[in-house]
Amino acid sequence: QSVLTQPPSVSGAPGQRVTISCTGSSSNIGAGLDVHWYQQVSGKAPKLLIFRNTNRPSGVPDRFSGSKSGTSASLAISGLQADDEADYYCQSYDTSLGGSVFGGGTKLTVL
Amino acid sequence: EVQLVESGGGLVQPGGSLRLSCAASGFIFSDYAMSWVRQAPGKGLEWISYISSKSSTIYFADSLRGRFTISRDNAKNSLYLQMNSLRADDTAVYYCARSDYGELDPWGQGTLVTVSS
Repeated sequence: QSVLTQPPSVSGAPGQRVTISCTGSSSNIGAGLDVHWYQQVSGKAPKLLIFRNTNRPSGVPDRFSGSKSGTSASLAISGLQADDEADYYCQSYDTSLGGSVFGGGTKLTVL
Repeated sequence: EVQLVESGGGLVQPGGSLRLSCAASGFIFSDYAMSWVRQAPGKGLEWISYISSKSSTIYFADSLRGRFTISRDNAKNSLYLQMNSLRADDTAVYYCARSDYGELDPWGQGTLVTVSS
């Protein structure tokens, strides 16, 4: 059971928009701690997608966006493309555990 | 180009030890904190440990504290993970990553540790 809760899977057709939620608690996201998102293509290392809730590293398309409210955060992907098919993970810091925590991951399928 | 390359993985018997290394290049290693993250086969990411740039602050996942030790050698641009009393459930790909205000970027390609008799 992960400290941050993500849906196991989401799907969408090419061109559509999908969102992935990341639900935490008062000891992590709800404490005002930043959320970061990673994309992991099958067999590859994770890649930073969104940092500090809403920021995109250079090279990440603006089709990817992040938001945060209360004890939750969301990753939105618009204009879905076939190569967006991957696992997506959220990450934050937990004050009770004294370390970083990841969500369980969400598998995105592009139909 | 910023690059992280892990090494030291392999097959080890239960109860054994292994030392992973992470060689950094393309940035001033001593300016950055570093972390280890692992991923068991078919499972999600699990944060293991964090070490600050000068080794003054170390955080560890509760479940691993006592068996694993993190360290770094800034003169050698290297990060290490010493793993003792290894168990089957430690089987995973182990990644090192640069830590910058909490986010992990970039990540190495990972090194596979298999604990089996």
